[in-house]
Amino acid sequence: DAGVTQSPTHLIKTRGQQVTLRCSPKSGHDTVSWYQQALGQGPQFIFQYYEEEERQRGNFPDRFSGHQFPNYSSELNVNALLLGDSALYLCASSSIGLAHTDTQYFGPGTRLTVL
Amino acid sequence: KNEVEQSPQNLTAQEGEFITINCSYSVGISALHWLQQHPGGGIVSLFMLSSGKKKHGRLIATINIQEKHSSLHITASHPRDSAVYICAAGGMCFGNEKLTFGTGTRLTIIP
Repeated sequence: DAGVTQSPTHLIKTRGQQVTLRCSPKSGHDTVSWYQQALGQGPQFIFQYYEEEERQRGNFPDRFSGHQFPNYSSELNVNALLLGDSALYLCASSSIGLAHTDTQYFGPGTRLTVL
Repeated sequence: KNEVEQSPQNLTAQEGEFITINCSYSVGISALHWLQQHPGGGIVSLFMLSSGKKKHGRLIATINIQEKHSSLHITASHPRDSAVYICAAGGMCFGNEKLTFGTGTRLTIIP
């Protein structure tokens, strides 16, 4: 049983570009949460997707958007990249509808570097 | 003031020592999570608790809801325990709601 997977592992972009990060939740999970972790900091909640809709959102600008697909996988899109967007982006899966879980399972993360 | 605060920020101890990491939170929660993060980023969930105490191997987590405080203890510490330990407050209704993280405690166990 695969756990949470994320792609790509590493990514280098330049300021102003756009990026798409991908996450596949653990089997049996229907909810995906995205977090941004700057170097030396704890993760910050970006948003959570359930039933293909944004269920909750943290304090991030509209440049950060997402999508959830019918197979529960999710994408995080960031437009007009800034140097400050350089961080580890973590995806976590859990279940609300299929089989409720309180624990979130984390993926390995995507390290984004903006030059 | 952060909604979730941990102490200490850094902790270095000798192998075999008893370790305590503390977490205080100011938000209403349904559950408090303890997570472990190794270099490279991978996060592993250690405990989720909403009351009392949980034990898994050499790890023990306690929570005092009235005082809004939780502790993570490691008995007979080992160099492989070296990692960043993060506490996170789960949402008001369910633990699978957004997590609010502390900044982490970097633990180094010296052989």
